Amino acid sequence: GENVEQHPSTLSVQEGDSAVIKCTYSDSASNYFPWYKQELGKRPQLIIDIRSNVGEKKDQRIAVTLNKTAKHFSLHITETQPEDSAVYFCAATLTGGGNKLTFGTGTQLKVEL
Amino acid sequence: DSGVTQTPKHLITATGQRVTLRCSPRSGDLSVYWYQQSLDQGLQFLIQYYNGEERAKGNILERFSAQQFPDLHSELNLSSLELGDSALYFCASSVDPGDGSRRDTQYFGPGTRLTVL
Repeated sequence: GENVEQHPSTLSVQEGDSAVIKCTYSDSASNYFPWYKQELGKRPQLIIDIRSNVGEKKDQRIAVTLNKTAKHFSLHITETQPEDSAVYFCAATLTGGGNKLTFGTGTQLKVEL
Repeated sequence: DSGVTQTPKHLITATGQRVTLRCSPRSGDLSVYWYQQSLDQGLQFLIQYYNGEERAKGNILERFSAQQFPDLHSELNLSSLELGDSALYFCASSVDPGDGSRRDTQYFGPGTRLTVL
């Protein structure tokens, strides 16, 4: 089955700096890669996703890149703000095959003033 | 608010007991997924239903079972509870289980926090 590794497990940045979180997946058939943000005790919230037919997607301060050859995808947050502090999870799945998400282990992002 | 609802928010029970968690998907969503989030195991997929039928199974224990009803709400039943079953249980829903479009995007409910004493 699919296995997703996520790094780093914790990330501390100064407000205004950029943050990058990296994930690798094992199943080359996976074709959908969402990123979720989870605040303490709350539900995971989808912030951006990418499908295997594109290499990059951007939504305001958030971008995701996908390298299918290396089986690697990354989340980039620019101009970080204190409200970006949360745990971020990457996930991978093969859509059409049940669509069960395999999650990475999460990255605790702390944006310091 | 994702539109996915889960009840109850919190559940405290004893070892050996049985509980039922309930999930109502977003209006129009046919697919429901259950995930377990614990400190040591992270977010783990349990089971998926699509329009009343089981579609996919993860590492769900035999003590756990689920079903999706004709009105599309779903219930997760946990029996013979153990201390290690204490976790956050999330339900997610999507229009479709996976057609490669926006219809397979999963939206999560607020979760049920289960504490087994």
